[in-house]
Parts: sequence; structure tokens; C-alpha cells
Amino acid sequence: GAVVSQHPSWVICKSGTSVKIECRSLDFQATTMFWYRQFPKQSLMLMATSNEGSKATYEQGVEKDKFLINHASLTLSTLTVTSAHPEDSSFYICSAGHGNTEAFFGQGTRLTVV
Amino acid sequence: AQSVTQPDIHITVSEGASLELRCNYSYGATPYLFWYVQSPGQGLQLLLKYFSGDTLVQGIKGFEAEFKRSQSSFNLRKPSVHWSDAAEYFCAVALSGGYNKLIFGAGTRLAVHP
Repeated sequence: GAVVSQHPSWVICKSGTSVKIECRSLDFQATTMFWYRQFPKQSLMLMATSNEGSKATYEQGVEKDKFLINHASLTLSTLTVTSAHPEDSSFYICSAGHGNTEAFFGQGTRLTVV
Repeated sequence: AQSVTQPDIHITVSEGASLELRCNYSYGATPYLFWYVQSPGQGLQLLLKYFSGDTLVQGIKGFEAEFKRSQSSFNLRKPSVHWSDAAEYFCAVALSGGYNKLIFGAGTRLAVHP
């Protein structure tokens, strides 16, 4: 199956700093990628849809200025958590569609803000 | 609005016993339905999916699911559970506009007793 890779797998940052998470489709091109957030022992919540070459579409309640998404190429989307605070600590997962049959998920990034 | 309900937050079964995880959805049209499994700190792996056709769907690892339109359900089953099946299971429905943009249920955590 298609492979989606996220980097880093985990990151610890200081409060007030920014963190960038990368999501790559390794063996296919993805015009659309999706970013999800998962709090401990909770479900995945869709944050935004990342569109190659255009602005991301954010779900209601997600701060677009805090969670910057860039999809500059057909194989890479990045999520930058700006001015991170402890409440932003979470598990972030991306997905990319391939062949319009299913979404392939990255392995996730555990963000801890101290 | 589309939604997915997984009524059971936590289920414990004995190894070798049968398993059924419940999933109900709310969606106006014919839904695209998925079951994913997540091990701790990991991404999601697709177990099976339903788009159309035969309402009994076979997946990986011996799992199957049955789509019942009259009950708006897509329950996951396995005849004999293995200890390695212990994980979090998520039911999901694809939102209109794409197979890859998903709404997830709250998840069911499966524990397996030896």
C-alpha cells in the first residue's frame, strides 16, 4: 500500500516557540492531505484540509493563525504550531488519499509543550 | 451533519472468544465506512472498508464487518480474538466531497485477557 511518513515522531518544545511537523507521501502524489489531532484516550478530530498550491481549509474552531499549514508540493504538507502552549500538547496525525479509495495515515507526531 | 457513534468505550474479552464492536453512523446518503486500528502511540491501520456492493466486508487480520442500512450500523466482528488484537479501534465515515476526509467515532479500547 501507499506510504505516508511523518516527521518527527515526537518533539518537545518550550512554551512560546513554534514547531513544524512534516507529512510526506513517499510513493504517490497527494493533492490533498488532512491533519488530525488526537488528545489522550480520545478520538481523532479533523483540523484542516491541506490543498496543494492553495490555502488550507480549516474546520470550525481551529485557529488558522496558530496552526499554519503549507502544501507546497504534491508530496509534502507541513503543519506549524506557532507560539505553542501546553494545551497544544497532543498527538498530530496526517493522512493522504491515494486512488480515491482510502486514506493512508502517517505514524503520528507526539508534541509536548513544556 | 455526519456523525459516528461507538457506544462501547472499553471492551474486555478473553483470548479465543468472539468479538463484536459496534458502530452507528448518521449520514444522509450512502456512506463510505471504515474501521481502523491504532496501537498505542502509533498511526492508524485500515482493517476494512465499505463503499458499495456486498454488505459483508472482509478485512485483514481475520476481521469482518457488516453494513446494515436499516440500522445505520457497521459493526466489526472477529470469531476468535488473539492477544495481539488488543488496541484501539475506530469506526469512521467519509465526508461528502471525498473518500479521504473522515469523521471518526470516539473509539473502542479492546483489552484481551489470556
